[in-house]
Order: sequence, then structure tokens, then C-alpha cells
Amino acid sequence: DAGVTQSPTHLIKTRGQHVTLRCSPISGHKSVSWYQQVLGQGPQFIFQYYEKEERGRGNFPDRFSARQFPNYSSELNVNALLLGDSALYLCASSLGHSNQPQHFGDGTRLSIL
Amino acid sequence: GESVGLHLPTLSVQEGDNSIINCAYSNSASDYFIWYKQESGKGPQFIIDIRSNMDKRQGQRVTVLLNKTVKHLSLQIAATQPGDSAVYFCAENIQGAQKLVFGQGTRLTINP
Repeated sequence: DAGVTQSPTHLIKTRGQHVTLRCSPISGHKSVSWYQQVLGQGPQFIFQYYEKEERGRGNFPDRFSARQFPNYSSELNVNALLLGDSALYLCASSLGHSNQPQHFGDGTRLSIL
Repeated sequence: GESVGLHLPTLSVQEGDNSIINCAYSNSASDYFIWYKQESGKGPQFIIDIRSNMDKRQGQRVTVLLNKTVKHLSLQIAATQPGDSAVYFCAENIQGAQKLVFGQGTRLTINP
């Protein structure tokens, strides 16, 4: 069975540009969460979506937005990119019920020049 | 508050020995905990989880212990193998918050 898939795997952008990252959850999973991981640190929560509705938001500026589609795939959008947005962006999916594990993709490595 | 680590603790063990990785979590309202393994260039991989109504759970070669009194979580890996080399993260799910909060991570290195 396919795990969580993310695209693209790597991306290089310049300051001020915008970016869209994509995620396909494990089949049957209805919840998708996004995390940012900078080098040497643990992932930081950005958003959670369940059944196309936002269920949680982390401490990130409004430049970050996301959505979930009817097929449960998701996009993360970041506008007005800053150098500090350089990170590994991880998507995780779960069944969406309480106390169910989140399973991660291998992420998109975003570099801002 | 949330745990954010700037310096990654390291643990070196001999191949075949048992490893114990520790984690202090921050929120007494957390009701669910997960250990993840992250290899270079990969996303975190689920290892084992435990609910707050339990104090021990065993998997294949791994055991998680939960001490809610002191807000401490540990991962024990039996008979450590070279393939166990990775960074290990604990994560807590804060009840009602719908998000995972990750610890700072521990880099496990296996010596031959």
C-alpha cells in the first residue's frame, strides 16, 4: 500500500515568491496535517484538516494557508517567502479519530535564496 | 510551552546492546504519545504509541514506558542493530488541541 506521498521532493525559490506543496494521504485516511521541520529540530505543527475543514492551526503567520480537497489530498501554500521559511515541510495523514497515529511522508525540502 | 531543541542530544551504543532513549513532555493534558524514528532524508516513521491510561506498551524489539507523575516517556530498543541508527523523536498529543508537539530528538549511533 502506498504511504503518504508529497510533491515536489525539492524546491528552490527566491524571497517574495509563493509556493504550493502537495500531499496525498494514505488511502482511507481523512485527516491531513502539515509540519515544518528546520534543521536540527523536531517538526512544528502548522495545520490540521479533517473532512475538508481546518481543525487546528499552529503559531504561523497568515502567509501560510492550506486546504483539503474532496479526495482528502491537501495543499500547503506559502506567500511572500522569507529566508527563514527554508525547511523540510512534512505532511502526515491519519484516520482522524482521537488517539490515532499520524503517518508522515518524506517531505518537501524548500530552499529560499 | 512547546519543546524546541537547538542541540540534538546523542546516544552511542554497541551493536547488540539495549538502548534507552528518554523524553520529558511538557503538558499534563496530553493523552496520547508516539515515538518516531527519522533517518536522514526521510520523514518521521511511526514506531510505537501509548495512551495516557497505560504505563507500558511493547512492540517488536521496542518498549515504551510512560510515567505521568513526572511527565516522562522512554523508548527501549532491545538488541540494537546498525539499522536502528537514526534520530528518535517523542511526540505528545494535547487533548483537544488536534496537534502533535514534538520533543527535541535524540540521535542514536550504533558502534560496531
